[in-house]
Amino acid sequence: AQSVTQPDIHITVSEGASLELRCNYSYGATPYLFWYVQSPGQGLQLLLKYFSGDTLVQGIKGFEAEFKRSQSSFNLRKPSVHWSDAAEYFCAVGARGRSSGDKLTFGTGTRLAVRP
Amino acid sequence: EPEVTQTPSHQVTQMGQEVILRCVPISNHLYFYWYRQILGQKVEFLVSFYNNEISEKSEIFDDQFSVERPDGSNFTLKIRSTKLEDSAMYFCASTQLAGNGEQFFGPGTRLTVL
Repeated sequence: AQSVTQPDIHITVSEGASLELRCNYSYGATPYLFWYVQSPGQGLQLLLKYFSGDTLVQGIKGFEAEFKRSQSSFNLRKPSVHWSDAAEYFCAVGARGRSSGDKLTFGTGTRLAVRP
Repeated sequence: EPEVTQTPSHQVTQMGQEVILRCVPISNHLYFYWYRQILGQKVEFLVSFYNNEISEKSEIFDDQFSVERPDGSNFTLKIRSTKLEDSAMYFCASTQLAGNGEQFFGPGTRLTVL
């Protein structure tokens, strides 16, 4: 069964500082990988996704993530955080190869706070 | 840009009552999902639906839950007899292709069971 671990429950960074949110997954093959962001009281917005190809993927709002197969990781990064980035971030994994569409398995999330 | 919509945004109900949560997936999508998020916890998969039948369901999705696509646009989640522990945010999602993997989420319905 697939699983996702986000080891950091809560992270605080200063505005303008760089950010890295960690995500490790467990899956028997190369998975689909996603990062979603959720602002308070809002739904889930897709930041970026990895399906295949280049292991460094670019997303919206200046975010990027790197798939590292050897480490089973898909860490999210941003070079300079803005106050509006304060939100909860979820890493998710989807299985490949199924014919009927697949569930996503989410991590427990990392809540990001931004200091002015 | 097409989006998934959900109604109502907030539903309050008494324990034991039936509720129906409604979703309108993106029009050319074929695969539909319900997830839930209990306050402060992670998003959990409930059920997937394709070709008018359930593809997969989690252990959360017991006999009290059912899903339906009553017409060409709506996708509903029914909880027959709500419990306090059903209080959560319920998200609908849809995707176009098998194996594509990218699911588009609606804004959610917050269900409060009193």
